[in-house]
This record gives sequence, C-alpha cells and structure tokens, in this order.
Amino acid sequence: GEDVEQSLFLSVREGDSSVINCTYTDSSSTYLYWYKQEPGAGLQLLTYIFSNMDMKQDQRLTVLLNKKDKHLSLRIADTQTGDSAIYFCAESHGSSNTGKLIFGQGTTLQVKP
Amino acid sequence: GAGVSQSPSNKVTEKGKDVELRCDPISGHTALYWYRQRLGQGLEFLIYFQGNSAPDKSGLPSDRFSAERTGESVSTLTIQRTQQEDSAVYLCASSPRQGGEKLFFGSGTQLSVL
Repeated sequence: GEDVEQSLFLSVREGDSSVINCTYTDSSSTYLYWYKQEPGAGLQLLTYIFSNMDMKQDQRLTVLLNKKDKHLSLRIADTQTGDSAIYFCAESHGSSNTGKLIFGQGTTLQVKP
Repeated sequence: GAGVSQSPSNKVTEKGKDVELRCDPISGHTALYWYRQRLGQGLEFLIYFQGNSAPDKSGLPSDRFSAERTGESVSTLTIQRTQQEDSAVYLCASSPRQGGEKLFFGSGTQLSVL
C-alpha cells in the first residue's frame, strides 16, 4: 500500500542548514509536497515539486527528488528559530491527482539559538 | 475571510453523542477535503468533494462518519455515537479546482471524546 516515512525529530543550531528526509512508495504520484505546521495552526504549504523534476529552489528552501529511490528531501538554509515547527512530507495519491494526499507522520524541527 | 474557516475550534463531547463539524472553504474553491490528525500522527484522508458530490469517501473510518456539502460551499462532517478513538484534530482544506496542486488548510477542530 501507499506509505510515506519520515524521521521524527531533528535539532539544529540557528544559522545552520536543516535537511529533512522522506521516503514514499507510490511511484505514480504526480506531486510531492512539504507542509509546515506550527503549534495550534493548520498546515501551511511550503513548497511542492512535480514528479518529473529533480530539484526545486525557493529562497531558503531546496527540494531534492530522487524518483528512482523514491526519496524526497527539504533543505532549509540559514535555519531560524521561527522555522521551529513540524514538517510533513506528502505525496499525491496515484496519477489522477485528485488532491487526495498521503502524509508522513511529520518531523519536528527544533532550532536552538 | 480570506482563508478556510472551521468551527468550532474545540469540541468536547461525551462518548455516544453526535457531533457536527463545519468547514467554510475559500470562496470559489470547487474542491473540499476532510482530513483527520491523531495526536503525534500525520494526516489521514477522510473524504473529498468536487462541487457538492463526493467522488471519494474511501477514508471514512466507519458508517458513523458522514459528510455533506451544499451550495458548493459549506461542508459539515458528522460523527454519530462518538467513541474515544474519534478524538483527533479534524482538518478541512479547499482547492481552486479538482487536483489543484495547492490545498489550503483551515486551523482544524480539536475533538475530544470523554
């Protein structure tokens, strides 16, 4: 079945780079996503990548996709304390892209000053 | 408002009672989704609407769960005879079109079943 796996916790120092990793199983997924969740808030879409791309950069965020290994990563450059949150990786369900997403369990990013 | 609005933000109920959770999507968004997030877990898909119809209800956990959407706008998720395992945050999202790559999420309803 479909599954998305993430490590549960990452701790970095302010100013360092953070790399959050994710593996997924559905090779027919059209889009892969990174969402951010701050305490008491809904999910905020950070960035997404189309499955025929291998990299996308957006300001401090870099997404790398290795489709062969079904591995997705999110790099945050110059991590700030405001980046502390839970980060969810998600894949679109199948190739029809109805908007049904399969989420990982989330990675808690702790940024120490 | 400009975003997806959900109400109530918190709901405490007794086991066996029925609850209704409401979602107001972004105006003009044709697709609407319900997800459930249990404590410390990722999101589980429940159901999605395209307009007022629900092409995919595959995530509804049991027949105690139902949802409807009217006027291609407001949606209500109803849980009958609530159980303690129903305790979770229920998140609604909307998208400008079916399969749009961007889902916009509300802040959720925290449901606690005692």
